Amino acid sequence: DQQVKQNSPSLSVQEGRISILNCDYTNSMFDYFLWYKKYPAEGPTFLISISSIKDKNEDGRFTVFLNKSAKHLSLHIVPSQPGDSAVYFCAASKGGYNKLIFGAGTRLAVHP
Amino acid sequence: KAGVTQTPRYLIKTRGQQVTLSCSPISGHRSVSWYQQTPGQGLQFLFEYFSETQRNKGNFPGRFSGRQFSNSRSEMNVSTLELGDSALYLCASSLEVDVTSYGYTFGSGTRLTVV
Repeated sequence: DQQVKQNSPSLSVQEGRISILNCDYTNSMFDYFLWYKKYPAEGPTFLISISSIKDKNEDGRFTVFLNKSAKHLSLHIVPSQPGDSAVYFCAASKGGYNKLIFGAGTRLAVHP
Repeated sequence: KAGVTQTPRYLIKTRGQQVTLSCSPISGHRSVSWYQQTPGQGLQFLFEYFSETQRNKGNFPGRFSGRQFSNSRSEMNVSTLELGDSALYLCASSLEVDVTSYGYTFGSGTRLTVV
């Protein structure tokens, strides 16, 4: 039972354009969502998060949008850079516990 | 400051054997969680330890176990290895119990191959 789904295994974007990575969840009890980036041979790196009481959070080139009624969140990267090429994981938690439920990941390739 | 250190980086074991993986968290971090990453499955939560106590456990068989020491270092053990246990095992540490305050910091993982 996959509670967090990233339906696009891969995404290819041209440098300078917007990258949009999507994530869907099924458990309405999730109240915190996070995005991680992972390069080969390294552990995931925390990117940005959002609480369920918000619908948007920005940090530089990265913005996360949350649509609770659709149980959907997305990560926007503007402008995309070649160094953004990595696997992006969406994760969710029920507050108060260090237990994250991850999606399967989306491999982003940003081409010059 | 030093990050999360996992040892060894790579390991090859034979079916039926057991294995122990180690994780040293960032200094001062008291929560350590373990995850298994396999292709197409993302990261799956194994268990979390805080102050030497297991706080949370994922849906893995009893062959997977862990512990945490008084210095917050953690080990996980897998007994009677199966081919399907081949994966990248990641540990993450955090300062607070509630991950929503501080994002996890992951180690680089231990790549376990069972042959």
